[in-house]
Amino acid sequence: DGGITQSPKYLFRKEGQNVTLSCEQNLNHDAMYWYRQDPGQGLRLIYYSQIVNDFQKGDIAEGYSVSREKKESFPLTVTSAQKNPTAFYLCASKGSLNSPLHFGNGTRLTVT
Amino acid sequence: GQQLNQSPQSMFIQEGEDVSMNCTSSSIFNTWLWYKQDPGEGPVLLIALYKAGELTSNGRLTAQFGITRKDSFLNISASIPSDVGIYFCAGQLSGKLIFGTGTRLQVFP
Repeated sequence: DGGITQSPKYLFRKEGQNVTLSCEQNLNHDAMYWYRQDPGQGLRLIYYSQIVNDFQKGDIAEGYSVSREKKESFPLTVTSAQKNPTAFYLCASKGSLNSPLHFGNGTRLTVT
Repeated sequence: GQQLNQSPQSMFIQEGEDVSMNCTSSSIFNTWLWYKQDPGEGPVLLIALYKAGELTSNGRLTAQFGITRKDSFLNISASIPSDVGIYFCAGQLSGKLIFGTGTRLQVFP
């Protein structure tokens, strides 16, 4: 089945450690996105990529980094510079400019 | 970042009741999307609207794209317990997507 796979579902890290969240899609979508969701809040855009080897900062990019070496993959690294990294992270993709966004099932990151 | 005004923020209703929620913006959009998110899961697309005035149904769900292109509403008829979740609207223009703040729906038997 086509879809977006995020792994792992739950991730625990100690403060000061970098951590990378995986996102893979087999929908042949060009554009991929990372959002952050805090409890009781909406979605905030971290980074997005409209094509391989290119990506742009979203509204809250500080403390995060991404890469887009393959069309199918858009990993997100949460660095130690991110002051409040504990959150629910959602990856999404879409096939064309005005088509709907499709989401993965999220990764819940807890940093202690 | 910019967010849409979505209301109500939360709703507590009895099973069988109808539900209505809406989103408004000061900006125009050329696409309106409605998503539902279950706890601990990613949002799932419910309805996509592409034309001002468009009225689209998906089972018990009906959504409309406002004539001014600055608003949209979602109605759920005859609610059931599995309708529980958070509903998000999203407006899209030239590929840029703006999300509403969400409506949390609770359905009591």
